[in-house]
Amino acid sequence: DAGVIQSPRHEVTEMGQEVTLRCKPISGHNSLFWYRQTMMRGLELLIYFNNNVPIDDSGMPEDRFSAKMPNASFSTLKIQPSEPRDSAVYFCASSPGTLDGEEQYFGPGTRLTVT
Amino acid sequence: AQSVTQLGSHVSVSEGALVLLRCNYSSSVPPYLFWYVQYPNQGLQLLLKYTSAATLVKGINGFEAEFKKSETSFHLTKPSAHMSDAAEYFCAVRKGGGSQGNLIFGKGTKLSVKP
Repeated sequence: DAGVIQSPRHEVTEMGQEVTLRCKPISGHNSLFWYRQTMMRGLELLIYFNNNVPIDDSGMPEDRFSAKMPNASFSTLKIQPSEPRDSAVYFCASSPGTLDGEEQYFGPGTRLTVT
Repeated sequence: AQSVTQLGSHVSVSEGALVLLRCNYSSSVPPYLFWYVQYPNQGLQLLLKYTSAATLVKGINGFEAEFKKSETSFHLTKPSAHMSDAAEYFCAVRKGGGSQGNLIFGKGTKLSVKP
């Protein structure tokens, strides 16, 4: 299996621009997670989906952030407008389901730089 | 609410020495605990997990961890460090009881291995 696929791997954009990050989970996995990693705050869960439905978006920083999962094989995280403080590495992860002992499989991440 | 505390943001050991990375958790219900490793510029990879079976859990790359309920700890050990173990290690907890709980990650411990 190819694992969780994220694109782009690196994104540099100017403040105010729209940014879209993409994720393809592992085939057959029913849960998908978006995380943000920074030096200051560590690894934070932004939102997670189960069977394409958002379950918990309490970690989404503000209305500038939105996430969608139109089907089982694709999800996007959009930032509009972007700000320098959004600079971070964004990870997507998937897991087979929601059983407590199930692990999450992480993608390689997208490093976002907002200038 | 669940939480994890990793003691020591940086740990340095010599090659061949014992590796001990500390993790304490807080959970009101029986927890599920995970250790992940992150190599530079990569996503997180599962090392091992505790799911209420054996208290001593063996993982990949020679790592193991012991669940101690009385101490609320889940420390990660490896008898002999290798240069390739240099990475950042994250402890995570997930609420048990059949919930759809998320993984809560610690701040991470960066392991350096000296030749």
